[in-house]
Amino acid sequence: SQQGEEDPQALSIQEGENATMNCSYKTSINNLQWYRQNSGRGLVHLILIRSNEREKHSGRLRVTLDTSKKSSSLLITASRAADTASYFCATDAGANAGKSTFGDGTTLTVKP
Amino acid sequence: DAGVIQSPRHEVTEMGQEVTLRCKPISGHDYLFWYRQTMMRGLELLIYFNNNVPIDDSGMPEDRFSAKMPNASFSTLKIQPSEPRDSAVYFCASSLRQLETQYFGPGTRLLVL
Repeated sequence: SQQGEEDPQALSIQEGENATMNCSYKTSINNLQWYRQNSGRGLVHLILIRSNEREKHSGRLRVTLDTSKKSSSLLITASRAADTASYFCATDAGANAGKSTFGDGTTLTVKP
Repeated sequence: DAGVIQSPRHEVTEMGQEVTLRCKPISGHDYLFWYRQTMMRGLELLIYFNNNVPIDDSGMPEDRFSAKMPNASFSTLKIQPSEPRDSAVYFCASSLRQLETQYFGPGTRLLVL
């Protein structure tokens, strides 16, 4: 079974709105990463957050991590049509350190 | 750096044929990963290498799949014989160190007829 599971599976918003995606996982982690995938392309790394961190920012992206709830969220502020993509969380956990397990992703559509 | 390079970008073959996918990781990266992505199963890790040595191949679906990394700058994923259910996008990724960011190649889109 997948270690990381994203929620919702699909999200559709208007340009300028904020988009929030969530990731839940089952076992303790060393770090959690968020990736973006545009249709027909490879995955692009967005943010890595370590288990001892609670929040990280990168431009319009904000990632939070709650290890007590085994969950993370990705917030994209002031969304643009170019943000339309699938977003995946990946966890790198314990004995499997060095090996990431990806969720099924959230498909975000930003309407102009 | 050019990033992770994969070839071919597209491959169409007939059932039973041998397929070889190639990957050149980013220079200096110690870890190399092979993934497969399908609509049904999502993104699956097939195998990963550290310093050219296979560490975990538990994701390799069957003996028809094999992967090698003869040196730090080259890896292959081979399917022999190929089957229609192997149709997928295969990604190669590399990372500098353990627990660090993975950089993905553009993928090879494989169609087995």
